[in-house]
Amino acid sequence: GQNIDQPTEMTATEGAIVQINCTYQTSGFNGLFWYQQHAGEAPTFLSYNVLDGLEEKGRFSSFLSRSKGYSYLLLKELQMKDSASYLCAVSDNDYKLSFGAGTTVTVRA
Amino acid sequence: GAVVSQHPSRVICKSGTSVKIECRSLDFQATTMFWYRQFPKQSLMLMATSNEGSKATYEQGVEKDKFLINHASLTLSTLTVTSAHPEDSSFYICSASLKEPYEQYFGPGTRLTVT
Repeated sequence: GQNIDQPTEMTATEGAIVQINCTYQTSGFNGLFWYQQHAGEAPTFLSYNVLDGLEEKGRFSSFLSRSKGYSYLLLKELQMKDSASYLCAVSDNDYKLSFGAGTTVTVRA
Repeated sequence: GAVVSQHPSRVICKSGTSVKIECRSLDFQATTMFWYRQFPKQSLMLMATSNEGSKATYEQGVEKDKFLINHASLTLSTLTVTSAHPEDSSFYICSASLKEPYEQYFGPGTRLTVT
């Protein structure tokens, strides 16, 4: 089975940086995804890591350490529209996704 | 590219009736489609995986006779909630993936309310 943990909530100020950690224990691994989900909407893809290291994409970066079962999503230059839930998801050997419970990020002016 | 649509976006039905939700990949042929359910303030839970032309694979605890999945073509999968009850009220989301790179593209979701 899969066990994926991430913090429930985080709050940050507009323009600041926030790091959302995700730890996982899985029976198989074919990559780790980060999704953004606004209330009442479907998740949208943010990043994908399958090898160790940092992937940077604009204001968002994602890091993976397979040996530690650890990933983080870094959001820089926070904007009000970044207030959302951020989901960590692990792909198993059958390419099925298991999701963490999500981290609700609130950006304050 | 990689757009997935769902229909309807919202549906309200009476207890005991059946509801069909469609999931379509609009600009690609999906090797596999997935159906998820999300209750308020909870994460997505995979219900079943379906491949075109074969029977769906259901996750543990998901009743296959209650949640009927038909994957008739590489661009269409349907989920029918049979004899719906209020506890089936949820946000149902489908996704579609290509064989490679195996990324899942999510539909906009269907909000089901059973009264």
